[in-house]
Amino acid sequence: EVQLVESGGGLVKPGGSLRLSCAASGFTFNIYKMNWVRQAPGKGLEWVSSITNSGSYIDYADSVKGRFTISRDNAKNSLYLQMHSLRAEDTAVYYCASGLIVSVALDIWGQGTMVTVSS
Amino acid sequence: EIVMTQSPATLSVSPGERATLSCRASQSVNSNLAWYQQKPGQAPRLLIYGASTRATGFPARFSGSGSGTEFTLTISSLQSEDFAVYYCQQYNDWPPLTFGGGTKVEIK
Repeated sequence: EVQLVESGGGLVKPGGSLRLSCAASGFTFNIYKMNWVRQAPGKGLEWVSSITNSGSYIDYADSVKGRFTISRDNAKNSLYLQMHSLRAEDTAVYYCASGLIVSVALDIWGQGTMVTVSS
Repeated sequence: EIVMTQSPATLSVSPGERATLSCRASQSVNSNLAWYQQKPGQAPRLLIYGASTRATGFPARFSGSGSGTEFTLTISSLQSEDFAVYYCQQYNDWPPLTFGGGTKVEIK
């Protein structure tokens, strides 16, 4: 079964840091681009970051550039999002997602992990 | 950045009726347009890609059309399990990947 499982969310104070993880299984992780997408409570979807299969090319939304770092470990079938200088507006469910047919039409999603930034 | 605009924000439909959802791009995205369905407490599910290709697991009552800047998702006869929020997303010119604000399809 194709599966993505996120972890690492929680409550953090403004200015704090958090590292999210996404464990992949059921597909050949090292040939697919991976993405993080977030959804603030009651709001729509916002793309956060993408990383190519080899990790050579990385993109970020302007809202997180310079504060978040995406990475992957293909040997561990894992994707990561290191988040620094967190703000209240970063509060959201964070999903890892990938497109197995079209790399950025996202046909596999994790269940999400909640990040709450509050004092 | 390509801005995606969905209308209406909320669509009230009776079971068995037809639902038509619109998505407009601020510039051409060719056919590089996806639709997602999201139910409360769940992750989004890819419904349509390439503007009109149905993803695995969705029945034929779902159809997508359009190209360029104007797109439509049609649900021909709404079933109870179709009441959800639907998002469009362009992947023609990115970063950033951009999503529309969503259309909530609710029971009338």
